[in-house]
Amino acid sequence: GQSLEQPSEVTAVEGAIVQINCTYQTSGFYGLSWYQQHDGGAPTFLSYNALDGLEETGRFSSFLSRSDSYGYLLLQELQMKDSASYFCAAPSGDSWGKLQFGAGTQVVVTP
Amino acid sequence: DSGVTQTPKHLITATGQRVTLRCSPRSGDLSVYWYQQSLDQGLQFLIQYYNGEERAKGNILERFSAQQFPDLHSELNLSSLELGDSALYFCASSPREGISYEQYFGPGTRLTVT
Repeated sequence: GQSLEQPSEVTAVEGAIVQINCTYQTSGFYGLSWYQQHDGGAPTFLSYNALDGLEETGRFSSFLSRSDSYGYLLLQELQMKDSASYFCAAPSGDSWGKLQFGAGTQVVVTP
Repeated sequence: DSGVTQTPKHLITATGQRVTLRCSPRSGDLSVYWYQQSLDQGLQFLIQYYNGEERAKGNILERFSAQQFPDLHSELNLSSLELGDSALYFCASSPREGISYEQYFGPGTRLTVT
């Protein structure tokens, strides 16, 4: 089986930095993806880490440590529009086409 | 706009009924995925089709079925509906058959069963 654990909520002020952790347990591992979902909207792909290390895309960065079964999404220079749910996701070890999602972290950005 | 379209946007129906949700993938994408999102279950993978063939299956109920047509659009059929089937149903697409870490989601269909 496979499970992905992430915190349920994080609150931060505008301009701050937020780190959303994701720990996973999986029988086969093919990398970690991150998605953003605004209230009532569709999930949107943010990033993917297949190998250890940091991937940077503008204000958002994602990190993976396969030895620690751990990754994180880093949101920098927070803006009000970053208030959303963020999901880590991983292809299932038993079926590549199956993407399993964590429960999501609600990020609340305050003025 | 991801390029994935879903209809209808909202659907309200009664228990015991049957509904069909429709999805058109992005131009050129051969894989279509269906997900169910509810408050207590999160985002759950239901099923994947690639170029008309079923490729992966998640925790999809027997009352639910899907297919992908030659023009690559897909339909998700939900029958004998129960109150617990009320949820957001998303369709996603990607060009890949296998590992698909990057999927493009449609706007979803909100199903309410009364």
